[in-house]
Amino acid sequence: DAMVIQNPRYQVTQFGKPVTLSCSQTLNHNVMYWYQQKSSQAPKLLFHYYDKDFNNEADTPDNFQSRRPNTSFCFLDIRSPGLGDAAMYLCATSSVAGGQYFGPGTRLTVT
Amino acid sequence: AQSVTQPDIHITVSEGASLELRCNYSYGATPYLFWYVQSPGQGLQLLLKYFSGDTLVQGIKGFEAEFKRSQSSFNLRKPSVHWSDAAEYFCAVGITGGGNKLTFGTGTQLKVEL
Repeated sequence: DAMVIQNPRYQVTQFGKPVTLSCSQTLNHNVMYWYQQKSSQAPKLLFHYYDKDFNNEADTPDNFQSRRPNTSFCFLDIRSPGLGDAAMYLCATSSVAGGQYFGPGTRLTVT
Repeated sequence: AQSVTQPDIHITVSEGASLELRCNYSYGATPYLFWYVQSPGQGLQLLLKYFSGDTLVQGIKGFEAEFKRSQSSFNLRKPSVHWSDAAEYFCAVGITGGGNKLTFGTGTQLKVEL
């Protein structure tokens, strides 16, 4: 089945220690997104790629970076995680005219 | 700027009862509208979407939604709720054009009583 895969599902990192979350897709969609979702809140868009074009939301902290080496993969790098960065991180994809399809998420804990 | 309002933060229904979750949107152009469901600790699953055409949209798991332009609404309905429908439901409006960015409502938490 075509899908969006996120690894790992659970990630524990230490305060200030860089961490990378990964997302892959078999849908061949040209748009990929990263969201942050905190408990009982709606997902908040951090950035998205339209093919190789990177689009950062205005309020996304500089601490968050992303890479998309090819169509299938996208990475979220958190350079110096703080306690406030503990959240669920969701990856999603879409085609130009379609809805977004989400992965299962990575739950990040910062100790 | 576009916005989505889900007026009900929590809803409790009995299993077998009908369900309607409310969603109102604000967007200057013809909206793309979506309903997603999220179970605890999981990602969001697309239930249904409206782009154009028939205003009554059928989705997965027996859900449907009706687009009413005059009321700026896109309410989600199900005639008979199952215990497994307990989850959080998000309505979203899509920005047309490159990127397909979504603006989400704050969500409605559905509890199903057996």
